[in-house]
Amino acid sequence: QKEVEQNSGPLSVPEGAIASLNCTYSDRGSQSFFWYRQYSGKSPELIMSIYSNGDKEDGRFTAQLNKASQYVSLLIRDSQPSDSATYLCAVTLIQGAQKLVFGQGTRLTINP
Amino acid sequence: DTGVSQNPRHKITKRGQNVTFRCDPISEHNRLYWYRQTLGQGPEFLTYFQNEAQLEKSRLLSDRFSAERPKGSFSTLEIQRTEQGDSAMYLCASGEGAVSNQPQHFGDGTRLSIL
Repeated sequence: QKEVEQNSGPLSVPEGAIASLNCTYSDRGSQSFFWYRQYSGKSPELIMSIYSNGDKEDGRFTAQLNKASQYVSLLIRDSQPSDSATYLCAVTLIQGAQKLVFGQGTRLTINP
Repeated sequence: DTGVSQNPRHKITKRGQNVTFRCDPISEHNRLYWYRQTLGQGPEFLTYFQNEAQLEKSRLLSDRFSAERPKGSFSTLEIQRTEQGDSAMYLCASGEGAVSNQPQHFGDGTRLSIL
């Protein structure tokens, strides 16, 4: 079992709809959770961080964390073609660990 | 805030040559990380510095790889006797403070191609 798992996609969503991206992680003691967006040929760009159970909203983005289910998700409302990218879930697996463990990423395409 | 800067952006070299990459973190960021990313995969951790101290190294970091951060500012990653399998994007990230829950911010990376 991979430490951080994402569906690699591609995930295709019509413009204006809600895109839902999911991520599961293996270590129940994981502390910090991040979503990065990566355009083709570019570096990962931080879009959301979440540390406690529940929802966290920032503009059109909502991150959801459920530690009991070891599940973190990202919702993108009113999807735009510019949201088309690979979305990477990253986790710090144990308390005090510094490194991020990434999933393989989900490729999202927003269709005009 | 100029962001994390990496040089060169691209490096093409023949197998067996040595290469060195440089990373300049965001000013005053204590934490500096190196990751490697291959096509279709998420970044994989290589090593981590807190100021000038290298505190963690991945098993991926074979003895051909060495990283330094001599004055706690910029860092270099050297690969000796490069192999085909070293072809990848090498990403540097930095974070402020001393705790891992502060986000890491990535540079644009150095793309290494081994001929």
